Amino acid sequence: EPEVTQTPSHQVTQMGQEVILRCVPISNHLYFYWYRQILGQKVEFLVSFYNNEISEKSEIFDDQFSVERPDGSNFTLKIRSTKLEDSAMYFCASSEVWTGKGQPQHFGDGTRLSIL
Amino acid sequence: RKEVEQDPGPFNVPEGATVAFNCTYSNSASQSFFWYRQDCRKEPKLLMSVYSSGNEDGRFTAQLNRASQYISLLIRDSKLSDSATYLCVVRIRGFQKLVFGTGTRLLVSP
Repeated sequence: EPEVTQTPSHQVTQMGQEVILRCVPISNHLYFYWYRQILGQKVEFLVSFYNNEISEKSEIFDDQFSVERPDGSNFTLKIRSTKLEDSAMYFCASSEVWTGKGQPQHFGDGTRLSIL
Repeated sequence: RKEVEQDPGPFNVPEGATVAFNCTYSNSASQSFFWYRQDCRKEPKLLMSVYSSGNEDGRFTAQLNRASQYISLLIRDSKLSDSATYLCVVRIRGFQKLVFGTGTRLLVSP
Protein backbone atom coordinates (compact mmCIF):
# COMPACT_ATOMS: atom_id res chain seq x y z
CA GLU A 1 0.00 0.00 0.00
CA PRO A 2 1.44 3.41 -0.94
CA GLU A 3 2.40 5.55 2.01
CA VAL A 4 3.55 9.01 3.00
CA THR A 5 7.18 9.01 4.12
CA GLN A 6 8.84 11.57 6.37
CA THR A 7 12.44 12.32 7.25
CA PRO A 8 14.08 12.55 9.67
CA SER A 9 12.20 10.52 12.24
CA HIS A 10 13.72 12.59 15.03
CA GLN A 11 15.33 16.03 14.86
CA VAL A 12 17.06 17.68 17.80
CA THR A 13 17.85 21.37 17.34
CA GLN A 14 19.02 24.30 19.42
CA MET A 15 16.50 27.09 19.98
CA GLY A 16 16.82 29.77 17.32
CA GLN A 17 18.08 27.41 14.65
CA GLU A 18 16.30 26.68 11.39
CA VAL A 19 14.90 23.23 10.69
CA ILE A 20 13.53 21.64 7.55
CA LEU A 21 11.20 18.68 7.81
CA ARG A 22 10.79 16.57 4.69
CA CYS A 23 7.91 14.57 3.33
CA VAL A 24 7.25 12.49 0.25
CA PRO A 25 3.48 12.36 -0.29
CA ILE A 26 1.73 9.48 -2.04
CA SER A 27 2.59 9.82 -5.71
CA ASN A 28 -0.82 10.47 -7.28
CA HIS A 29 -2.00 12.76 -4.49
CA LEU A 30 -2.51 16.43 -5.20
CA TYR A 31 -3.20 17.95 -1.75
CA PHE A 32 -0.56 18.09 0.93
CA TYR A 33 -0.81 19.02 4.58
CA TRP A 34 1.21 19.56 7.71
CA TYR A 35 -0.14 18.92 11.19
CA ARG A 36 1.53 18.91 14.55
CA GLN A 37 0.85 17.19 17.87
CA ILE A 38 2.36 18.49 21.07
CA LEU A 39 2.91 15.65 23.53
CA GLY A 40 -0.31 14.76 25.29
CA GLN A 41 -2.43 17.08 23.14
CA LYS A 42 -4.61 16.73 20.07
CA VAL A 43 -3.47 16.82 16.47
CA GLU A 44 -3.58 20.40 15.10
CA PHE A 45 -3.71 21.59 11.51
CA LEU A 46 -0.93 23.85 10.28
CA VAL A 47 -1.23 24.27 6.52
CA SER A 48 -2.52 22.80 3.29
CA PHE A 49 -0.88 23.09 -0.11
CA TYR A 50 -2.27 22.62 -3.59
CA ASN A 51 -1.04 23.53 -7.05
CA ASN A 52 2.18 24.97 -5.66
CA GLU A 53 0.60 27.37 -3.27
CA ILE A 54 -0.83 27.49 0.24
CA SER A 55 -4.55 26.89 0.10
CA GLU A 56 -5.31 27.14 3.80
CA LYS A 57 -3.38 27.84 7.00
CA SER A 58 -4.07 28.04 10.70
CA GLU A 59 -3.19 30.71 13.25
CA ILE A 60 -0.27 28.55 14.33
CA PHE A 61 1.30 28.87 10.87
CA ASP A 62 2.88 32.29 11.36
CA ASP A 63 5.79 34.00 9.61
CA GLN A 64 8.36 31.62 11.06
CA PHE A 65 6.84 28.75 9.07
CA SER A 66 7.01 28.13 5.35
CA VAL A 67 6.27 25.24 3.01
CA GLU A 68 7.67 24.33 -0.35
CA ARG A 69 7.46 21.67 -3.00
CA PRO A 70 10.98 21.97 -4.38
CA ASP A 71 10.60 19.15 -6.91
CA GLY A 72 8.01 16.69 -8.11
CA SER A 73 8.12 14.48 -5.05
CA ASN A 74 9.19 16.31 -1.88
CA PHE A 75 7.11 18.59 0.32
CA THR A 76 8.94 20.48 3.05
CA LEU A 77 8.11 22.43 6.19
CA LYS A 78 10.68 25.00 7.29
CA ILE A 79 10.74 26.61 10.71
CA ARG A 80 13.05 29.62 10.54
CA SER A 81 13.91 30.35 14.16
CA THR A 82 12.76 27.56 16.40
CA LYS A 83 11.28 28.14 19.83
CA LEU A 84 10.96 25.74 22.73
CA GLU A 85 7.20 25.54 22.13
CA ASP A 86 7.81 24.21 18.61
CA SER A 87 8.75 20.88 20.17
CA ALA A 88 6.15 18.46 18.87
CA MET A 89 5.47 15.60 16.49
CA TYR A 90 5.00 16.94 12.97
CA PHE A 91 2.87 14.90 10.60
CA CYS A 92 2.70 15.29 6.86
CA ALA A 93 -0.45 14.11 5.11
CA SER A 94 -1.74 13.92 1.58
CA SER A 95 -5.02 13.31 -0.19
CA GLU A 96 -5.85 12.34 -3.73
CA VAL A 97 -8.35 15.04 -4.57
CA TRP A 98 -10.61 17.38 -2.70
CA THR A 99 -14.07 16.81 -3.99
CA GLY A 100 -15.81 18.37 -1.05
CA LYS A 101 -17.09 14.95 -0.22
CA GLY A 102 -14.44 14.14 2.29
CA GLN A 103 -11.47 12.44 0.76
CA PRO A 104 -9.54 11.04 3.72
CA GLN A 105 -6.06 12.28 4.39
CA HIS A 106 -3.26 9.75 4.79
CA PHE A 107 -0.56 10.52 7.33
CA GLY A 108 3.15 9.88 7.40
CA ASP A 109 4.77 8.41 10.50
CA GLY A 110 5.93 11.83 11.68
CA THR A 111 9.05 13.71 12.65
CA ARG A 112 9.63 14.24 16.34
CA LEU A 113 11.13 17.72 16.74
CA SER A 114 12.90 18.45 20.00
CA ILE A 115 14.05 22.02 20.64
CA LEU A 116 16.72 22.45 23.32
CA ARG B 1 -16.99 24.76 23.54
CA LYS B 2 -14.53 22.35 21.92
CA GLU B 3 -14.99 21.80 18.19
CA VAL B 4 -14.79 18.03 18.60
CA GLU B 5 -15.35 16.52 22.00
CA GLN B 6 -14.57 12.99 23.15
CA ASP B 7 -14.41 11.17 26.45
CA PRO B 8 -10.67 10.63 26.97
CA GLY B 9 -11.19 7.31 28.77
CA PRO B 10 -9.41 5.01 29.22
CA PHE B 11 -11.96 2.33 28.46
CA ASN B 12 -10.71 -0.94 29.92
CA VAL B 13 -12.44 -3.95 28.36
CA PRO B 14 -11.72 -7.69 28.21
CA GLU B 15 -11.04 -9.44 24.93
CA GLY B 16 -14.25 -10.26 23.12
CA ALA B 17 -16.20 -7.38 24.62
CA THR B 18 -18.21 -4.85 22.67
CA VAL B 19 -17.30 -1.22 23.28
CA ALA B 20 -18.77 2.03 22.01
CA PHE B 21 -17.25 5.48 21.76
CA ASN B 22 -19.12 8.70 21.26
CA CYS B 23 -18.09 12.04 19.88
CA THR B 24 -19.88 15.37 19.55
CA TYR B 25 -19.03 18.23 17.23
CA SER B 26 -20.03 21.85 17.61
CA ASN B 27 -19.97 23.21 14.07
CA SER B 28 -23.18 22.49 12.17
CA ALA B 29 -21.29 23.07 8.91
CA SER B 30 -19.25 19.92 9.54
CA GLN B 31 -19.51 17.90 6.37
CA SER B 32 -17.13 14.94 6.50
CA PHE B 33 -16.51 12.61 9.39
CA PHE B 34 -13.85 10.05 10.12
CA TRP B 35 -12.54 7.76 12.79
CA TYR B 36 -8.77 7.44 12.95
CA ARG B 37 -6.78 5.30 15.36
CA GLN B 38 -3.48 6.34 16.85
CA ASP B 39 -1.05 4.05 18.59
CA CYS B 40 1.27 5.56 21.18
CA ARG B 41 3.60 8.12 19.54
CA LYS B 42 2.58 6.98 16.05
CA GLU B 43 0.70 8.63 13.23
CA PRO B 44 -3.09 8.75 12.96
CA LYS B 45 -4.30 5.95 10.70
CA LEU B 46 -7.67 6.08 8.97
CA LEU B 47 -10.02 3.52 10.45
CA MET B 48 -13.13 4.44 8.53
CA SER B 49 -15.09 7.30 7.05
CA VAL B 50 -18.52 7.87 8.55
CA TYR B 51 -21.50 8.17 6.24
CA SER B 52 -24.94 9.57 6.96
CA SER B 53 -26.61 6.19 6.64
CA GLY B 54 -24.11 4.55 8.97
CA ASN B 55 -21.54 2.08 7.80
CA GLU B 56 -19.81 -1.08 8.88
CA ASP B 57 -16.36 -2.48 8.24
CA GLY B 58 -15.91 -5.89 9.76
CA ARG B 59 -16.11 -5.56 13.54
CA PHE B 60 -16.40 -1.78 13.35
CA THR B 61 -19.65 0.16 12.94
CA ALA B 62 -19.89 3.93 12.67
CA GLN B 63 -23.02 6.03 13.03
CA LEU B 64 -23.70 9.70 12.38
CA ASN B 65 -26.55 11.74 13.81
CA ARG B 66 -26.51 15.15 12.15
CA ALA B 67 -29.44 16.48 14.15
CA SER B 68 -27.65 15.84 17.43
CA GLN B 69 -24.18 16.47 15.96
CA TYR B 70 -23.03 13.15 17.28
CA ILE B 71 -20.82 10.38 15.90
CA SER B 72 -20.31 6.93 17.34
CA LEU B 73 -17.98 4.00 16.84
CA LEU B 74 -18.87 0.47 17.93
CA ILE B 75 -16.23 -2.23 18.15
CA ARG B 76 -17.44 -5.80 18.47
CA ASP B 77 -15.40 -8.78 19.64
CA SER B 78 -12.51 -6.62 20.85
CA LYS B 79 -8.99 -7.86 20.16
CA LEU B 80 -5.81 -7.07 22.07
CA SER B 81 -4.61 -5.30 18.92
CA ASP B 82 -7.53 -2.86 19.16
CA SER B 83 -5.79 -1.17 22.10
CA ALA B 84 -5.13 2.36 20.85
CA THR B 85 -6.48 5.88 20.96
CA TYR B 86 -9.49 6.46 18.71
CA LEU B 87 -9.68 9.91 17.19
CA CYS B 88 -12.93 11.49 16.07
CA VAL B 89 -12.20 13.78 13.13
CA VAL B 90 -14.39 16.19 11.18
CA ARG B 91 -13.97 18.41 8.16
CA ILE B 92 -16.01 21.59 7.95
CA ARG B 93 -17.67 22.55 4.67
CA GLY B 94 -15.47 24.88 2.66
CA PHE B 95 -12.30 23.96 4.53
CA GLN B 96 -9.65 21.37 3.82
CA LYS B 97 -8.27 21.03 7.32
CA LEU B 98 -9.23 18.12 9.53
CA VAL B 99 -10.32 18.98 13.06
CA PHE B 100 -9.34 16.34 15.59
CA GLY B 101 -10.78 15.42 18.93
CA THR B 102 -8.39 14.62 21.76
CA GLY B 103 -9.15 10.93 21.37
CA THR B 104 -10.56 8.10 23.46
CA ARG B 105 -8.08 5.58 24.79
CA LEU B 106 -9.04 1.90 24.63
CA LEU B 107 -7.23 -0.82 26.54
CA VAL B 108 -8.20 -4.40 25.73
CA SER B 109 -6.94 -6.95 28.24
CA PRO B 110 -6.64 -10.76 28.00
